[in-house]
Parts: sequence; structure tokens; C-alpha cells
Amino acid sequence: DQQVKQNSPSLSVQEGRISILNCDYTNSMFDYFLWYKKYPAEGPTFLISISSIKDKNEDGRFTVFLNKSAKHLSLHIVPSQPGDSAVYFCAASLTDSWGKLQFGAGTQVVVTP
Amino acid sequence: DAGVIQSPRHEVTEMGQEVTLRCKPISGHNSLFWYRQTMMRGLELLIYFNNNVPIDDSGMPEDRFSAKMPNASFSTLKIQPSEPRDSAVYFCASSPDRGRAFFGQGTRLTVV
Repeated sequence: DQQVKQNSPSLSVQEGRISILNCDYTNSMFDYFLWYKKYPAEGPTFLISISSIKDKNEDGRFTVFLNKSAKHLSLHIVPSQPGDSAVYFCAASLTDSWGKLQFGAGTQVVVTP
Repeated sequence: DAGVIQSPRHEVTEMGQEVTLRCKPISGHNSLFWYRQTMMRGLELLIYFNNNVPIDDSGMPEDRFSAKMPNASFSTLKIQPSEPRDSAVYFCASSPDRGRAFFGQGTRLTVV
């Protein structure tokens, strides 16, 4: 039962433009959300997170938006750079089992010159 | 800091053999996680420990899988006996607090 879904397996964007990655979840009890980035042959690396009490969190070029009513979050990368080419995973957890991250299937981002 | 260290990086074994994957978490992190990544199921949590105690092992697929954390600086994931469907990339991760899990580079396991 996939409770976190990333419906776009891939995204191609030009260098300098905005990348928008989307993630939907089905469990309304999730209260903490994260984005990870993964390069080939490496483990995922943490990018940014957001608590359900917020609707936006920003860190440099990365901004995560949370829409609880729609059970939807998105990651914006502005401006996109070639080094951003990677697989991006959305993840969610519950307070009472916070170690149990549920991951989406990932979105492959390719930033073209 | 060297990060989370996993060994071996690659493992090829024959069906029926015992496989042991090893993990050294980041010093000071009190939570440790074992994940498995496959094409079919993506990244899934197998088990996690807090202060060396297993908290949730509901993701462990079968009794053939077992994990231990004898101390704060070492954990193992054992598969006995191994089967071809266990072929996957196994990640270990550690965390000092909620959410910010730091992943190792993974062990690519191939069971033939």
C-alpha cells in the first residue's frame, strides 16, 4: 500500500529555470515530510523538511510547499543547476513512529544546458 | 566525519548462503535504520533501532532476515538462507533526531 506517491517518474528542465517536483500522500495523519536527493551509486541525502504546522519552508534554492487539505507537497528548485540532476524522493512520517519514513518512488530530474 | 559506513559495497552470493551486511553509524546518532531498495518496491524500511533497541521490525520480510545492534557503533543485517529475490541495494542510515537520516552508500546484493 503506497501511501506516498510521486506520479512523475521523470522531469527535464533547462538550466536556470525552475524545477517543480510533486508528491501526494494518502494518510492524513502524516505530520512530517522530507525530500531526499540521490545520485547513482550513492545513498540518499537529506535536502529539506517541513512540519505539518507549516505550509512553506525555504533553504537557499530549495523551497517545499505543503497543502494539507489536498494532501500534496511540492519541491521547488530555483534556479536549477546541472548538479541538481538526480533522483528526488519525497518521504513522510508520523509523530508516534517518526523513524518509519515512507518514501515515494522518486522522480528523476535532468537539468539540461 | 566519515559518514555512515557500510560494508561490503557489493556482494554476490549463491542461493542458500548466509549473507551479513555491516553498518557503522555516525558517532552520536542514536537511531539506526536499515532500508532496502528494489525496482518493484522502491525504498522500504526494514527495521529501525533507537539507542540500540529495535523499535519497529515490521518491514522485515521474513524470518530469514535478522538485524542486530550490539552497541552504538555497529549493526548487522543477516539473511539466512539467501534467495534470488533478496537481490537489492541495502542502505543503512543513522539519525540524531527526527527525520534527518544520513544514509550510507549502500550494499548491492546479488543472489544467484
